[in-house]
Amino acid sequence: AQKITQTQPGMFVQEKEAVTLDCTYDTSDPSYGLFWYKQPSSGEMIFLIYQGSYDQQNATEGRYSLNFQKARKSANLVISASQLGDSAMYFCAMREPSGGFKTIFGAGTRLFVKA
Amino acid sequence: DTGVSQDPRHKITKRGQNVTFRCDPISEHNRLYWYRQTLGQGPEFLTYFQNEAQLEKSRLLSDRFSAERPKGSFSTLEIQRTEQGDSAMYLCASSSTQGNGQTQYFGPGTRLLVL
Repeated sequence: AQKITQTQPGMFVQEKEAVTLDCTYDTSDPSYGLFWYKQPSSGEMIFLIYQGSYDQQNATEGRYSLNFQKARKSANLVISASQLGDSAMYFCAMREPSGGFKTIFGAGTRLFVKA
Repeated sequence: DTGVSQDPRHKITKRGQNVTFRCDPISEHNRLYWYRQTLGQGPEFLTYFQNEAQLEKSRLLSDRFSAERPKGSFSTLEIQRTEQGDSAMYLCASSSTQGNGQTQYFGPGTRLLVL
């Protein structure tokens, strides 16, 4: 069965520093997609970055990069040059096409950026 | 492109009442998803539409819940005989078959409180 694990309930980072948010997943399907979403206090889920299981290179989107280690089944999010506006909940998620159309989310990590 | 919209943003109701939520997806997206998110958790998948067809339903979607997408555009989620356990954020997302075909874009959510 699909499973997403985020082991860090909360993280602190100093403004302008980089931070890594951990995510591990469990699947037996060779084809899957991994996502990171940001959820500010307003509640809206904001798409950040996507990594396909067959992608050879780690995904990057601006200050966000995904450290994809397939053998370890990890998909950590790296945020460079943290900003105060990065303070939010961050969710790792996975979808297996063979598992239907649902996306499974982790429990999330709350990131606090300190000035 | 105005993004995914949801209405209402907040709903307070008494136990036993029926409520209906609306979701308008991004206009060119033919896939639409409903999720439920309780406090401190990641979103949980409820159901999925491709055009007007409801292709997948979670076991979380009891017989008190019904979702429709009659013309393949907007969707409604109705909860009958609400219970206090239904209090949650209800999120709608949409996606396109273009691009990676998997990335879901979320609306702002409807926060339901059942008294």
